[in-house]
Amino acid sequence: EPEVTQTPSHQVTQMGQEVILRCVPISNHLYFYWYRQILGQKVEFLVSFYNNEISEKSEIFDDQFSVERPDGSNFTLKIRSTKLEDSAMYFCASSENGQPGDTQYFGPGTRLTVL
Amino acid sequence: EDQVTQSPEALRLQEGESSSLNCSYTVSGLRGLFWYRQDPGKGPEFLFTLYSAGEEKEKERLKATLTKKESFLHITAPKPEDSATYLCAVIISGGYNKLIFGAGTRLAVHP
Repeated sequence: EPEVTQTPSHQVTQMGQEVILRCVPISNHLYFYWYRQILGQKVEFLVSFYNNEISEKSEIFDDQFSVERPDGSNFTLKIRSTKLEDSAMYFCASSENGQPGDTQYFGPGTRLTVL
Repeated sequence: EDQVTQSPEALRLQEGESSSLNCSYTVSGLRGLFWYRQDPGKGPEFLFTLYSAGEEKEKERLKATLTKKESFLHITAPKPEDSATYLCAVIISGGYNKLIFGAGTRLAVHP
């Protein structure tokens, strides 16, 4: 069964460093998403991406965040200068056609620890 | 403000003891309501999508229902392997495909 994959599973970085989180969405899906979950809190939307453009972004997704589809299979989230409060699980998701109510399938997540 | 509230926060059941989890929503216009299961340290695993009041979906021991204000996830004769956090999320009109999640219900099923 097709699934979303993410690498690395755990990333430890120093405050102020740049990190890139990688995702491979399900192959025939067209819409891609990033969410994050701070320990003990709700899953929060960060950004949605379609046709090489950001469709929607949340207030959390400020100038230190960026997304890219560098090739036909990968989807990346870059955090330019990490802060302590960026420590969280980051989940990538994809959906087939992006119609309202279309099911989003999540990857296993990357645990980001900022020291 | 669009809001999703789940109750209870935590639920402990004996194996075989049926129960229901609640997800109430206050949103401007519902396009879809989703149930996910999340195991510790893992990503949300899709269970059901409900689109309109009166709709019901079933999968093994789980049944999801939807009214105009809330959704229920009924668990019949649960087993220990059903232990997980169950997340409810909605997509609203004009919200593109942004999922708005509730805080989840932590379910523990004991033998």
